[in-house]
Amino acid sequence: QVQLVQSGAEVKKPGASVKVSCKTSGYTFTSYFIHWVRQAPGQGLEWIGVINPSGASTTYAQKFQGRVTMTRDTSTTTVYLELSSLRSEDTALYYCARVRLEYSSSQGFDYWGRGTLVTVSS
Amino acid sequence: DIQMTQSPSSLSASVGDRVTITCQASQDISNYLNWYQQIPGKAPKLLIYDASNLETGVPSRFFGSGSGTDFTFSISSLQAEDIATYYCQQYDNLPLTFGGGTRVEIK
Repeated sequence: QVQLVQSGAEVKKPGASVKVSCKTSGYTFTSYFIHWVRQAPGQGLEWIGVINPSGASTTYAQKFQGRVTMTRDTSTTTVYLELSSLRSEDTALYYCARVRLEYSSSQGFDYWGRGTLVTVSS
Repeated sequence: DIQMTQSPSSLSASVGDRVTITCQASQDISNYLNWYQQIPGKAPKLLIYDASNLETGVPSRFFGSGSGTDFTFSISSLQAEDIATYYCQQYDNLPLTFGGGTRVEIK
């Protein structure tokens, strides 16, 4: 069965970087785009960006340009989100999510990780 | 960026009631709209894609309609397990954007 298993919670100081992983299984890794979405405590959903695991191309939300990097490792079927220059406003639950259609960049997310809590605090 | 305006932000209804949520896009997004359910403490779950298509395994009491800029999501007969926050999301253009969410409670 399809699974997206995310790495554990992180606590970081302002200005630091964090790298969150999303280990996928149960499907052909290179056939489905993966998106990252975050949710601040008590708030709504915010899109961060998308990676195509096939060619590793990425698109990021303008808000995160220059601070975010999404990568993938085809040998371990894992995608990564790295966010740098962290500030308190980055405290949130970070989700990875798979697009429901093969080779579609964004048609709805059918499988989600459980989320990784990133806390930024001095 | 396309703004998604969802209303109401919260509602309270009785079991068995029909519940309706609206989502308005700031520009024409055709039918490139999804609806998600987020139960507290859980990841969002896709219910409706392409504005009106029920995701596999989702109960038929959930219904979506609309196109262009105006969309509606309904639960025909509210059940206790439907307590959640519901979000619309457009995928016509990047960045993908979500509505602010509608919290549904049982009266």
